[in-house]
Amino acid sequence: QQQVKQSPQSLIVQKGGIPIINCAYENTAFDYFPWYQQFPGKGPALLIAIRPDVSEKKEGRFTISFNKSAKQFSLHIMDSQPGDSATYFCAASNNAGNMLTFGGGTRLMVKP
Amino acid sequence: EAQVTQNPRYLITVTGKKLTVTCSQNMNHEYMSWYRQDPGLGLRQIYYSMNVEVTDKGDVPEGYKVSRKEKRNFPLILESPSPNQTSLYFCASRSRGLAGNTGELFFGEGSRLTVL
Repeated sequence: QQQVKQSPQSLIVQKGGIPIINCAYENTAFDYFPWYQQFPGKGPALLIAIRPDVSEKKEGRFTISFNKSAKQFSLHIMDSQPGDSATYFCAASNNAGNMLTFGGGTRLMVKP
Repeated sequence: EAQVTQNPRYLITVTGKKLTVTCSQNMNHEYMSWYRQDPGLGLRQIYYSMNVEVTDKGDVPEGYKVSRKEKRNFPLILESPSPNQTSLYFCASRSRGLAGNTGELFFGEGSRLTVL
């Protein structure tokens, strides 16, 4: 049973589009929500992270929206580029940080 | 260069033949962890270590062992591999950090294991 559910599993958008990836969690003890980006043949790398005291965080073209009452958070990629084509993982952790629970991943393809 | 190094990167083995996947980090990180990545299931934590000689089970520890005798190394041991352990394995590390115990995880490049 996955504690962090991610959708969609795959996503295709045109260059310039705004892909949105959604995640939902169950454990109310989670208070740290990162997103990781993984290119083929590489390990995941931290993209952006949020804590539940804010509802939105932007870093460049990447934005996390967070809805604490609904226990949902999402990643938006503005003006998407072919170089953004990768697998994206949402994750969640409590403050102890000993276990980071990942969603199932979304394979994004941005067409030129 | 700061990095997490895993070896081997690729391995094909047979059922029951013990194997070890090594992991080493050069960032003086206290925390290290092993994950397996399977399609549709994301990354699932196998074992983690908060510091030297301190290890604990993650979500899917069955069939695996770990040890943390030195701060930089965290090997993953499969005593008797089975086909359901065919997967892509990642080692990761992070520092304790200031904001509680959360923070950026640094991943290795992965070890693809096939058990026949």
